[in-house]
Amino acid sequence: DSGVTQTPKHLITATGQRVTLRCSPRSGDLSVYWYQQSLDQGLQFLIQYYNGEERAKGNILERFSAQQFPDLHSELNLSSLELGDSALYFCASTLGGSDTQYFGPGTRLTVL
Amino acid sequence: GDSVTQMEGPVTLSEEAFLTINCTYTATGYPSLFWYVQYPGEGLQLLLKATKADDKGSNKGFEATYRKETTSFHLEKGSVQVSDSAVYFCALSDISGGGADGLTFGKGTHLIIQP
Repeated sequence: DSGVTQTPKHLITATGQRVTLRCSPRSGDLSVYWYQQSLDQGLQFLIQYYNGEERAKGNILERFSAQQFPDLHSELNLSSLELGDSALYFCASTLGGSDTQYFGPGTRLTVL
Repeated sequence: GDSVTQMEGPVTLSEEAFLTINCTYTATGYPSLFWYVQYPGEGLQLLLKATKADDKGSNKGFEATYRKETTSFHLEKGSVQVSDSAVYFCALSDISGGGADGLTFGKGTHLIIQP
């Protein structure tokens, strides 16, 4: 158990809908990262937050957004969903200065 | 940009065989290198890491040495077990090169160990 929690574990929705994925980092970690794992694209970095502020962006679509709250949990919002957004979404956390990231169990999103 | 290349497999071995999974990288700076393992239905677990040239990371019988001259970080284990069956990801973090703090992953190697 990495100490990073993600909810929900599974999410099934329809095209055009909007969903929110939630992540709670390990106790004491200030940085949260979001990744997408799909069969065709593999594991891709989406976005990073550090202590409530956006710090780095990867291959995140404009339809996707994230935020980190004062209690350091983070949410990833996915809107206007398409079939191709079906994937596993992971979050990871780290203390801040350390580059070792600890991953949550993931949320499996299925868009029908 | 940064990239990681690893053999995709599946790699099928018998129990107690020697394992090598190749990983090479390209990076603009001086990256840290990682191996993560993903068991079926689970998230990624950090297996080992190395932060500078010639460092050796090791854990649970697995080892990998950071080779700057060949830009490689091959994963090895002397005697694999059925419980090692999983998908293994090589990854890098290249903050020094001005890249984002996110990890860059290889496509993963599916390892199957037969009893």
